[in-house]
Amino acid sequence: DQQVKQNSPSLSVQEGRISILNCDYTNSMFDYFLWYKKYPAEGPTFLISISSIKDKNEDGRFTVFLNKSAKHLSLHIVPSQPGDSAVYFCAATRVLSGSNYKLTFGKGTLLTVNP
Amino acid sequence: KAGVTQTPRYLIKTRGQQVTLSCSPISGHRSVSWYQQTPGQGLQFLFEYFSETQRNKGNFPGRFSGRQFSNSRSEMNVSTLELGDSALYLCASSLVAGDRDEQFFGPGTRLTVL
Repeated sequence: DQQVKQNSPSLSVQEGRISILNCDYTNSMFDYFLWYKKYPAEGPTFLISISSIKDKNEDGRFTVFLNKSAKHLSLHIVPSQPGDSAVYFCAATRVLSGSNYKLTFGKGTLLTVNP
Repeated sequence: KAGVTQTPRYLIKTRGQQVTLSCSPISGHRSVSWYQQTPGQGLQFLFEYFSETQRNKGNFPGRFSGRQFSNSRSEMNVSTLELGDSALYLCASSLVAGDRDEQFFGPGTRLTVL
């Protein structure tokens, strides 16, 4: 049973427009969510995260929105740039006090930003 | 500051063999996690080590094992390799075993089992 789902395997966007990547989760125990970007032949790179006590977190062109009642989060990239073309992974975890965590990943969405 | 390094980067083995992969975390990082990435299953958590102790384990068979050394370097071992073990194995390190530590990933080891 996949606990973190990225239902769109791919997304194509024009440069300068907004990219919206979506992620759904089923485990209500998750309380911390992360987005990673992955280029071919490289490991995933952390982008942005959000705690379940918030509904929005911004970092430059990247904004993550969390809707806990819908168990849904999304990553907005504005404006999109060709260098943003990569696979984006959504990840979720439950943070326990005094303990590190394991990440449960979605299967990723390939974003292509066309010049 | 050097990132997470993994060796070897590419490996070809045959069924039934065993393999050992190595991961050197970022200097000062004490927690190391391992993930398997396959096209069908995406990224799946294997296990996590902190201070030479395994603290979390994913749903993988006992053929997958690991360890962490006193300098935080980690190895994972897969015995009796199967074709389905072909994957990208990613190691990630984080600073302390605390809340909300972002994990920094290495480039991975691409294992092909023939």
